[in-house]
Amino acid sequence: NAGVMQNPRHLVRRRGQEARLRCSPMKGHSHVYWYRQLPEEGLKFMVYLQKENIIDESGMPKERFSAEFPKEGPSILRIQQVVRGDSAAYFCASSEANYGYTFGSGTRLTVV
Amino acid sequence: DAKTTQPPSMDCAEGRAANLPCNHSTISGNEYVYWYRQIHSQGPQYIIHGLKNNETNEMASLIITEDRKSSTLILPHATLRDTAVYYCINSNNNNDMRFGAGTRLTVKP
Repeated sequence: NAGVMQNPRHLVRRRGQEARLRCSPMKGHSHVYWYRQLPEEGLKFMVYLQKENIIDESGMPKERFSAEFPKEGPSILRIQQVVRGDSAAYFCASSEANYGYTFGSGTRLTVV
Repeated sequence: DAKTTQPPSMDCAEGRAANLPCNHSTISGNEYVYWYRQIHSQGPQYIIHGLKNNETNEMASLIITEDRKSSTLILPHATLRDTAVYYCINSNNNNDMRFGAGTRLTVKP
């Protein structure tokens, strides 16, 4: 029973390119959460999704960022036209009702 | 934003108990207390959670005060591998985990 799988582990993008981060939840989990962690800072909630629905995106920047969790396949966090300030670790977690989150190992995005 | 308050850092001697406090004076009746930890650069790891009663598992014990305004996470015999940032979170539905700055625990030999 694999845990939460995130890929890629490391991603380098030039300013202006697009970044796509993937998250496959634990088997049987239908809730997915994305967090961002800037260097030397805590985790900041970005978005909460259930299958095909965005439940809470209050932590997502209004522009350039989007997330989806399709019926089939992994959840995708998409960042368009990346800037240096987007460099961070992006963590995905999954859960099922009434249990704690299981986190993935994260994707470290570096914008050069 | 986080609704809990934790000391920014603590030290503990290897083999001794580590007691990490958390204040959550505004906790509501249906909110649980969750603890996670993040070992350097890794994804956060769930430790334990509770509502009113004290809880224990293979990793730690959780002591919640009777008024539920504070709690303590206890690592009974800290090892060097327990060095991490420990986060205390209040959440009522498992779908609203807001992390604060946490406590950076350093276990020293």
